[in-house]
Amino acid sequence: EAGVAQSPRYKIIEKRQSVAFWCNPISGHATLYWYQQILGQGPKLLIQFQNNGVVDDSQLPKDRFSAERLKGVDSTLKIQPAKLEDSAVYLCASSFNQAGEQFFGPGTRLTVL
Amino acid sequence: GQNIDQPTEMTATEGAIVQINCTYQTSGFNGLFWYQQHAGEAPTFLSYNVLDGLEEKGRFSSFLSRSKGYSYLLLKELQMKDSASYLCAVTKGHSNYQLIWGAGTKLIIKP
Repeated sequence: EAGVAQSPRYKIIEKRQSVAFWCNPISGHATLYWYQQILGQGPKLLIQFQNNGVVDDSQLPKDRFSAERLKGVDSTLKIQPAKLEDSAVYLCASSFNQAGEQFFGPGTRLTVL
Repeated sequence: GQNIDQPTEMTATEGAIVQINCTYQTSGFNGLFWYQQHAGEAPTFLSYNVLDGLEEKGRFSSFLSRSKGYSYLLLKELQMKDSASYLCAVTKGHSNYQLIWGAGTKLIIKP
């Protein structure tokens, strides 16, 4: 069974630039999560989708971050414009349902200069 | 409010046993996950406890006390590859589940 795919794996941009991350969850998983993980900290949930609907985006900085999952499968997370404090690993995870074990992708390491 | 506490860092010796504690305060508690995360990698699932008691899975066991808001992860026969961060995460809610993550415990295994 294929795991959660993410791209790119690494990205370096300058502040005020834009960046987009892509995630393809495990086939059949209805729930998709985007997390931000800063070094030495636990994952921070940015947004949670159930199929193509948003369940929780309370911690998403909506002035600069946006995410979509239009067909209920793949998802993209965008940052526009980026700030220095956005430097982190962005993890995508999926689960069969909201109460289930989450499977994580390899993450995208973002460096904002 | 909601809060999850874990020790920041622990050190143990290869071949020994270590217990990593997690305490939580949250309303609408459903269950508790433990994940392992090696440096530079994504978290991987270890265990999920819903009911009180101990669940054993090979060298790893996880315990939950719902009344005390307490869990621990027990690692036996420690190996060098067990050096990693161990994340405690709590699920809450009844229709829309939320997962609240702890900051993780960095476990260092010494020969």
